[in-house]
Amino acid sequence: KAGVTQTPRYLIKTRGQQVTLSCSPISGHRSVSWYQQTPGQGLQFLFEYFSETQRNKGNFPGRFSGRQFSNSRSEMNVSTLELGDSALYLCASSSQGKHTFGSGTRLTVV
Amino acid sequence: DAKTTQPNSMESNEEEPVHLPCNHSTISGTDYIHWYRQLPSQGPEYVIHGLTSNVNNRMASLAIAEDRKSSTLILHRATLRDAAVYYCILLDNYGQNFVFGPGTRLSVLP
Repeated sequence: KAGVTQTPRYLIKTRGQQVTLSCSPISGHRSVSWYQQTPGQGLQFLFEYFSETQRNKGNFPGRFSGRQFSNSRSEMNVSTLELGDSALYLCASSSQGKHTFGSGTRLTVV
Repeated sequence: DAKTTQPNSMESNEEEPVHLPCNHSTISGTDYIHWYRQLPSQGPEYVIHGLTSNVNNRMASLAIAEDRKSSTLILHRATLRDAAVYYCILLDNYGQNFVFGPGTRLSVLP
């Protein structure tokens, strides 16, 4: 069974740009969650999608958004990038309470 | 959200058992106790979870106190590959909206 796939693995963007990250969940998993991980703040929950609907949302500004497609694949978008958005962005798909995480996308904003 | 407290770091010798403690004194009756670990440069990985009874799987054992206010993750024979940050997390039955604490950084000495 293929795991959770995140693309791209690495990304460098400049301040003010926008970025879209992609996540393909495990086949059959309908829930996809996104997390931001930084050395200073640790792992923080961004949002969760289930059957194309945002079910939960963390405490992040509106510049962070996401969506889920009918095949459960999900994307997250960050607009007007700031230096502080540099982080590892992790996606997880879940079934019966057990999360499987991808390897993440490392975003560097310069 | 119910919170957990864990020691910042622990050390173990290779091939010896490791007991990783977690306190969760405000746990509610419906919270499951989950353990995840994160190896360097990877996303978190599911280890084990339980509700009231002790649990065993191929990776580890989970011992849950009778009052559920604490639990212990047991690695029966630590290997160098077990060096990681271990997170103890409380989740409701839907298992969403993870709140990650700083976790315990486990070092395994050869």
